[in-house]
Amino acid sequence: DSGVTQTPKHLITATGQRVTLRCSPRSGDLSVYWYQQSLDQGLQFLIQYYNGEERAKGNILERFSAQQFPDLHSELNLSSLELGDSALYFCASSRTSFNEKLFFGSGTQLSVL
Amino acid sequence: EDQVTQSPEALRLQEGESSSLNCSYTVSGLRGLFWYRQDPGKGPEFLFTLYSAGEEKEKERLKATLTKKESFLHITAPKPEDSATYLCAVQAQNDYKLSFGAGTTVTVRA
Repeated sequence: DSGVTQTPKHLITATGQRVTLRCSPRSGDLSVYWYQQSLDQGLQFLIQYYNGEERAKGNILERFSAQQFPDLHSELNLSSLELGDSALYFCASSRTSFNEKLFFGSGTQLSVL
Repeated sequence: EDQVTQSPEALRLQEGESSSLNCSYTVSGLRGLFWYRQDPGKGPEFLFTLYSAGEEKEKERLKATLTKKESFLHITAPKPEDSATYLCAVQAQNDYKLSFGAGTTVTVRA
């Protein structure tokens, strides 16, 4: 168990809908990262937050947004969903902003039908 | 842009048959190269970080090495429980993100 908690584990929704993925980092970790994993793209970095502030942005679509709350949990919001958004979404956390190593959650499997 | 290429895509081994996985990378100033293990339905699990050419790290039957252009993950006398997808990732200087390769899926048969 990595100590990173992601909910829900599975999410099935329809095109055009909006969903929210939640992540609780390991105790004491200040950085939260979101990654998307699909069969054709592999693990792609989306966005990083450190102690409530956005620190880095990757290949995140404008339809996607994220935030980190004062209690350090994070949420990834996906809107106007398309079939191609179906993927495994991972949250990871680390102690610092320059991660020495990431601890990954078990992921949220999103299926857009 | 950082690039990470892993080979082979898949590797089938007999228990006890040692082998190596390759990770070739292109990055503008390497801060660190990471190896992760991912089991089906789970998130990646950290294995090693390597920082400079010539560095080596070991953990049980796994040994990671680093040169200026590639890293190798050597699996010595593997067991079925070593079956997993092994992911390589790089982090550039002054960058926060990890850029991952597509992974090598290792299957060890008893």
